[in-house]
Amino acid sequence: AQSVAQPEDQVNVAEGNPLTVKCTYSVSGNPYLFWYVQYPNRGLQFLLKYITGDNLVKGSYGFEAEFNKSQTSFHLKKPSALVSDSALYFCAVSSSNTGNQFYFGTGTSLTVIP
Amino acid sequence: DAGITQSPRHKVTETGTPVTLRCHQTENHRYMYWYRQDPGHGLRLIHYSYGVKDTDKGEVSDGYSVSRSKTEDFLLTLESATSSQTSVYFCAIGQAGQGDINEQFFGPGTRLTVL
Repeated sequence: AQSVAQPEDQVNVAEGNPLTVKCTYSVSGNPYLFWYVQYPNRGLQFLLKYITGDNLVKGSYGFEAEFNKSQTSFHLKKPSALVSDSALYFCAVSSSNTGNQFYFGTGTSLTVIP
Repeated sequence: DAGITQSPRHKVTETGTPVTLRCHQTENHRYMYWYRQDPGHGLRLIHYSYGVKDTDKGEVSDGYSVSRSKTEDFLLTLESATSSQTSVYFCAIGQAGQGDINEQFFGPGTRLTVL
């Protein structure tokens, strides 16, 4: 079975500090990993994806994520947090076995404190 | 946002009534999806479509049906709404890739309340 875990419901970070939002996954087949962000009363917006290749993936708004196959993780990072980064973040996984079906984590609420 | 609209955006209905939610895309993407979002559960797939008249069940399909008669429209029907179906419903679209899996793009959501 495919699954995604986001172990932290809430992450608080001071503005200007680096941020990390954690994601681990379990899939059969080769994993395809995605991060999305959701602002209040909005749909999800795509941030970045890992399909193959370089383990460090860069995406929108200065975010990046590192694929770690041995730890089955895909943590989202940003070197310097902005107050405007405060939102709900979702990790999602698909695989070579599940095709275009995505499995989402339960989300992590990020608050950047001024 | 990608060219995805959902209607209605808000709906309040009573238990036992039928409800249909509509998703419309202007991107000509092959794949369309219906998710529900609930606190503590993230997004869960209800049904998806991989082409006109081609649909399949997701992990929480009980009590829901879908139809796709045109590439641009994907309808979600609750035949007899229950309070457990109170949720925010999101439509998403995805492009078919050449051996790769492409990201999905999401609509603005429909907030459904079943009293």
